[in-house]
Amino acid sequence: AQRVTQPEKLLSVFKGAPVELKCNYSYSGSPELFWYVQYSRQRLQLLLRHISRESIKGFTADLNKGETSFHLKKPFAQEEDSAMYYCALIKGTGNQFYFGTGTSLTVIP
Amino acid sequence: DGGITQSPKYLFRKEGQNVTLSCEQNLNHDAMYWYRQDPGQGLRLIYYSQIVNDFQKGDIAEGYSVSREKKESFPLTVTSAQKNPTAFYLCASSMQNSYEQYFGPGTRLTVT
Repeated sequence: AQRVTQPEKLLSVFKGAPVELKCNYSYSGSPELFWYVQYSRQRLQLLLRHISRESIKGFTADLNKGETSFHLKKPFAQEEDSAMYYCALIKGTGNQFYFGTGTSLTVIP
Repeated sequence: DGGITQSPKYLFRKEGQNVTLSCEQNLNHDAMYWYRQDPGQGLRLIYYSQIVNDFQKGDIAEGYSVSREKKESFPLTVTSAQKNPTAFYLCASSMQNSYEQYFGPGTRLTVT
């Protein structure tokens, strides 16, 4: 069963425009959700997690249990935000992650 | 230089041969993971280990095997039973009870 869905494979926005990367999940328990990012020629790394309710590099993500969503948002996109973004969910106590298929974001100068 | 390393970066094998991918970390992390990444499918968990001498199957463990004899090392063997072994393989590690995974650079395996 697909637990994490990222409906957009590719997303392009202009510099300075708002950006939203969509993530929906299916999980019967209380989920822990994350966004991971992979910049060009760099390793996959944690961007943010819902439990910390923090803003990293201007990005925020709010867990909406009613809509089972965890969309990643930034009000003003920058060129350095161009990267591959993965939404991920952790299940149970085994630290087993489930990743979405990823969204490739391109910020057009 | 601390971190998690995978070797080699590229690996080529003939069909029917077993091949072992290396993953080493010097972060003193308890947990280690192996993922497979295919185009359009994101990352899928193959195996993970939360402690030395213990490991659990992920969603796609068939055709793979692992060992965890040392805390720093978590090698993955792709056996001849794996029907579609050509893929990009990522190793990761994390502290116990931490949700942040540190990823290696990956190994691209091509089986012909």
